[in-house]
Amino acid sequence: NAGVTQTPKFQVLKTGQSMTLQCAQDMNHEYMSWYRQDPGMGLRLIHYSVGAGITDQGEVPNGYNVSRSTTEDFPLRLLSAAPSQTSVYFCASSYSWSTNEKLFFGSGTQLSVL
Amino acid sequence: GQQVMQIPQYQHVQEGEDFTTYCNSSTTLSNIQWYKQRPGGHPVFLIQLVKSGEVKKQKRLTFQFGEAKKNSSLHITATQTTDVGTYFCAGPGGGSQGNLIFGKGTKLSVKP
Repeated sequence: NAGVTQTPKFQVLKTGQSMTLQCAQDMNHEYMSWYRQDPGMGLRLIHYSVGAGITDQGEVPNGYNVSRSTTEDFPLRLLSAAPSQTSVYFCASSYSWSTNEKLFFGSGTQLSVL
Repeated sequence: GQQVMQIPQYQHVQEGEDFTTYCNSSTTLSNIQWYKQRPGGHPVFLIQLVKSGEVKKQKRLTFQFGEAKKNSSLHITATQTTDVGTYFCAGPGGGSQGNLIFGKGTKLSVKP
């Protein structure tokens, strides 16, 4: 099993550009989520999904869109990138939508918005 | 919303010294998880505590859950350079119980 796979690992955007961060898991996990990590801020939840076709907002959803058409994939879309979105993004999944389940994280995407 | 406070933010120790990071919540937690993130890496699950007063050990790491289930600690005995990284605690979110809310982490550096 590859686990949770994120692409790309690095990305530089100009303000106003759009892009999609890809996340895929091969563990048949029901729950998938996106976090952003900023210095001194820890990990903050952006969006999450409890199954195919079901998504919801987390703590910091503004400027991001998600969809979940399959169990395996959970892409994160930046519609119009802003410098405030410069961050490291982690996709994470777990077997079910329960805080008793441990999260498996991808290796992250480092995004810079100029 | 639910917050999980973690202290200290940074800790610098000499190799062989002990290290402790603390996690506090204003509300009772049903469980708490701990993660470690190596420099340049991603968070990796270490352990979950569920019971009041629970103590779990993993080699030199000791994890505790408070009696009131509002606080937790991670203690590392005789740190090694391999312990370098950021340690996060995470507890259930407020309204969305299925989501984890992470503390801001404690960044540990170890001087050989």
